Amino acid sequence: QKEVEQDPGPLSVPEGAIVSLNCTYSNSAFQYFMWYRQYSRKGPELLMYTYSSGNKEDGRFTAQVDKSSKYISLFIRDSQPSDSATYLCAMSAKETSGSRLTFGEGTQLTVNP
Amino acid sequence: DTEVTQTPKHLVMGMTNKKSLKCEQHMGHRAMYWYKQKAKKPPELMFVYSYEKLSINESVPSRFSPECPNSSLLNLHLHALQPEDSALYLCASSQPREGRETQYFGPGTRLLVL
Repeated sequence: QKEVEQDPGPLSVPEGAIVSLNCTYSNSAFQYFMWYRQYSRKGPELLMYTYSSGNKEDGRFTAQVDKSSKYISLFIRDSQPSDSATYLCAMSAKETSGSRLTFGEGTQLTVNP
Repeated sequence: DTEVTQTPKHLVMGMTNKKSLKCEQHMGHRAMYWYKQKAKKPPELMFVYSYEKLSINESVPSRFSPECPNSSLLNLHLHALQPEDSALYLCASSQPREGRETQYFGPGTRLLVL
């Protein structure tokens, strides 16, 4: 069983839809959670990060963490064609020498005009 | 400024060639990383340098040799690569905070081994 499970999609939605992206994890040591967006043939771009359970909002994006259920989500409101990309969840445990990120497989999202 | 730069953007090399990938950051971060990413897969960690010392080596073949000349620069020396090493090579940096840190990625070098 993988430490982090993420539905790879692909996910296709109309412009303006609310998008929900999810990851589950099995390692209780994970305490820091991130979402990256990766456009085709580009490097991952950090979207949001959090280390506490609850919601964190940034514009159209909301990150949600439920540590008791080992479940994290990213919501995108009013989705735009420019949101079309692969979304990667990533998480890390406490380490002293740089962090080791464990990624989900990534969800490929297409927002249709 | 959260920019990590990588050169070259693209590289084509034969299996007998020696080449180097370069990465630079000016955010004052003291941890730097090399990742390998194949198509439709997440990045795979190769090496981590923390305070200019190699702290993680994920059992990468010796044909990949990392170097950290100073806190801003990271190199990956390539020698006698195989076609299956063709991939996007990503550099990242972060400020070590015992796991509570965010990694910033560069745009990557797309490598093709013939």
